[in-house]
Amino acid sequence: DAKTTQPTSMDCAEGRAANLPCNHSTISGNEYVYWYRQIHSQGPQYIIHGLKNNETNEMASLIITEDRKSSTLILPHATLRDTAVYYCIVGGATNKLIFGTGTLLAVQP
Amino acid sequence: NAGVTQTPKFRVLKTGQSMTLLCAQDMNHEYMYWYRQDPGMGLRLIHYSVGEGTTAKGEVPDGYNVSRLKKQNFLLGLESAAPSQTSVYFCASSRTSGRGVEQFFGPGTRLTVL
Repeated sequence: DAKTTQPTSMDCAEGRAANLPCNHSTISGNEYVYWYRQIHSQGPQYIIHGLKNNETNEMASLIITEDRKSSTLILPHATLRDTAVYYCIVGGATNKLIFGTGTLLAVQP
Repeated sequence: NAGVTQTPKFRVLKTGQSMTLLCAQDMNHEYMYWYRQDPGMGLRLIHYSVGEGTTAKGEVPDGYNVSRLKKQNFLLGLESAAPSQTSVYFCASSRTSGRGVEQFFGPGTRLTVL
């Protein structure tokens, strides 16, 4: 499974868009990009995933570059409750997820 | 639906004791997983199961055993607990798909081995 690189931490002002980058330069053609988040010791929560195309749901948008070597998770209007560790993961058909250390997003009032 | 539940929520063991962690899901998912999370680190996969009666090793399987006798339950056993197994254990489940799937996680079990 491919590995990912994320910044250790980021800040975002409440109400503004949070853009979380992820590099996955060794991703294979059949591997998906997943985003999960973990709020203070709770179980991780699924956010979104994609293969090639950009994706949007009620929580976030996922922008994947054309070469698929990087992606950006966008939280359009961050709130204090979005403060969490965000994990970018690439995974294939086996559904095994390899978690890194993620990005700690701190939303500031 | 309760989703994914884990029993117990907290446990303290002495070195050498054994215990079993229970994970249950009511979503009729085929796949189930056990992860551990140590302080300041991401989750690491211990074992997983792709269906009733089947199990497979993950990244860090040593010192653990698992069983999937019923589709809705996935048990994680520690035969002889060691302090290095102090961690938070998360269970997850997912459906099967070739188009990427979402894993649903339980609330975790906090285990301390003295």
